Amino acid sequence: AQTVTQSQPEMSVQEAETVTLSCTYDTSENNYYLFWYKQPPSRQMILVIRQEAYKQQNATENRFSVNFQKAAKSFSLKISDSQLGDTAMYFCAFMNRRTGTASKLTFGTGTRLQVTL
Amino acid sequence: GAGVSQSPSNKVTEKGKDVELRCDPISGHTALYWYRQSLGQGLEFLIYFQGNSAPDKSGLPSDRFSAERTGGSVSTLTIQRTQQEDSAVYLCASSLNLIGGSEAFFGQGTRLTVV
Repeated sequence: AQTVTQSQPEMSVQEAETVTLSCTYDTSENNYYLFWYKQPPSRQMILVIRQEAYKQQNATENRFSVNFQKAAKSFSLKISDSQLGDTAMYFCAFMNRRTGTASKLTFGTGTRLQVTL
Repeated sequence: GAGVSQSPSNKVTEKGKDVELRCDPISGHTALYWYRQSLGQGLEFLIYFQGNSAPDKSGLPSDRFSAERTGGSVSTLTIQRTQQEDSAVYLCASSLNLIGGSEAFFGQGTRLTVV
């Protein structure tokens, strides 16, 4: 079974600064996907960024980028130029690149990010 | 529909009553997930449907919880004899997930309060 660990329950960053959220995972699989989801107070889960394990290049989406270290099973999220609207819970998630129920989505416990003035 | 739709948005029920929570996934999505999120906590996996495969029920916390997905589309999560510890937001998500890796789209959730 896969596990996803987020060791930072809460983080705080000043507006316009950069913050990095940590995520580690454990799996015996070689082909899989990793995701970061954002959950603002509205409680709507929103996909922030996605990484395919067979790609060495780190994914980027505007101010959001990841540092994917496959050997270390680490998948951190970097938010540059933080904005007040980035305040939310951030969840790291894992999915096998397989068919059937083996490809279910497994989440970490989340990191609450507060962006301050 | 345009997105994943869950109903009701909020449900208050008396302890011991049964409740049904409904999820309408995005049309064509083969995978459907149910998660439970207690106040300020992470997402606890409950059950996962993927196409015609047997559902993964490994996350259901007790035999009071059950879920079905009719015709590969709408899903209903049923909680029998509700307890106060069942109070939480129940989130549903769907994805194409033909071979894993597709983005999961979430509904707004149902906030269940057991009094």
